[in-house]
Amino acid sequence: GENVEQHPSTLSVQEGDSAVIKCTYSDSASNYFPWYKQELGKRPQLIIDIRSNVGEKKDQRIAVTLNKTAKHFSLHITETQPEDSAVYFCAATGSNYQLIWGAGTKLIIKP
Amino acid sequence: DSGVTQTPKHLITATGQRVTLRCSPRSGDLSVYWYQQSLDQGLQFLIQYYNGEERAKGNILERFSAQQFPDLHSELNLSSLELGDSALYFCASSVRGAETTRDTQYFGPGTRLTVL
Repeated sequence: GENVEQHPSTLSVQEGDSAVIKCTYSDSASNYFPWYKQELGKRPQLIIDIRSNVGEKKDQRIAVTLNKTAKHFSLHITETQPEDSAVYFCAATGSNYQLIWGAGTKLIIKP
Repeated sequence: DSGVTQTPKHLITATGQRVTLRCSPRSGDLSVYWYQQSLDQGLQFLIQYYNGEERAKGNILERFSAQQFPDLHSELNLSSLELGDSALYFCASSVRGAETTRDTQYFGPGTRLTVL
């Protein structure tokens, strides 16, 4: 069936360093790939998304890259700050207009 | 603030009971999605409604049901509650969600359900 694998499940980085979270999807027809950030006890919030007609998108310290051939996409956060600590979810569109979600990555920023 | 509202914020009830969670989508959004998130777990898609009609089903139990009303608000009904139903329940809305595969979903603040 359709699935999205997300790695790592937990990522701990030093403040100021970069963080990379990777997702692999199974449906070659997927064409929309959002990333959501969820702080403890809060709602998931969209932080960046990419559509299949582009390979990379940047928004300040956040970037997403997409490799359709390999069916994977990644979130890159540079110059990490304490407020980046959260759980990050990737997702990809499935066959019925649904989003197939990754299991989440807990990002810990060490001071 | 995403513009999606959910009530109540917290709900504490006993096993075997029935509860109703309510969601109002962003103004103009036609699709509503319901998700369940158990402690330290991911987002489990339950069901989607588009303009009043059921659009897609995920891992929704038979004890759970939902509907979307003419004013586009939605309710999720959970019956014969079990301890394992304790979770955060989110709804999300999007503009379309049926004609396009690239619709952004905006999440509400969630309802925390505790079953004792």
